[in-house]
Amino acid sequence: QKEVEQDPGPLSVPEGAIVSLNCTYSNSAFQYFMWYRQYSRKGPELLMYTYSSGNKEDGRFTAQVDKSSKYISLFIRDSQPSDSATYLCAMRNTGGFKTIFGAGTRLFVKA
Amino acid sequence: DGGITQSPKYLFRKEGQNVTLSCEQNLNHDAMYWYRQDPGQGLRLIYYSQIVNDFQKGDIAEGYSVSREKKESFPLTVTSAQKNPTAFYLCASRTGADTQYFGPGTRLTVL
Repeated sequence: QKEVEQDPGPLSVPEGAIVSLNCTYSNSAFQYFMWYRQYSRKGPELLMYTYSSGNKEDGRFTAQVDKSSKYISLFIRDSQPSDSATYLCAMRNTGGFKTIFGAGTRLFVKA
Repeated sequence: DGGITQSPKYLFRKEGQNVTLSCEQNLNHDAMYWYRQDPGQGLRLIYYSQIVNDFQKGDIAEGYSVSREKKESFPLTVTSAQKNPTAFYLCASRTGADTQYFGPGTRLTVL
């Protein structure tokens, strides 16, 4: 079993839809949770960064962490064609130098 | 501007040839990382370095070598021992409890 599981998709939605992206994990020691967005042939860029449980909102993006269920989510409101990319979840434990990445979910937002 | 640079953007390797990928950062970050990304797969850790003159093997270090002589630089050499080197290579850096920031990547192709 992988430490982090993420559905690779692809996920196709119409413009303006609410998108839900998810990851599950097995290591209860993870405390830092990240979401990266990666456009084709580019390096990943940090989108959201959350410590421990709870919600964090930034514009159209909301990150949720449920440590009891070992489940994290990224919601995108009013999705735009420019949101079409691969979204990677990532996590690590306190003091850890290794970050574990999900395989990434490919998202297509149709105009 | 602060950031991470990788060069070259595209690299072609002949059979039996060693090639070196450059990674430079001016973020004053202590830790640096090299990842390999294959289509449809997540990021796999090759090597990482927490401080100058020190580095550790990641999950797929065979056929690769690194050096960390300066804080700003963490070059990766893909040796002829790496039998399947065609991939997208990403360099990242981090400091303290902060998260990782990525460079734009180098696409390596074996001819």
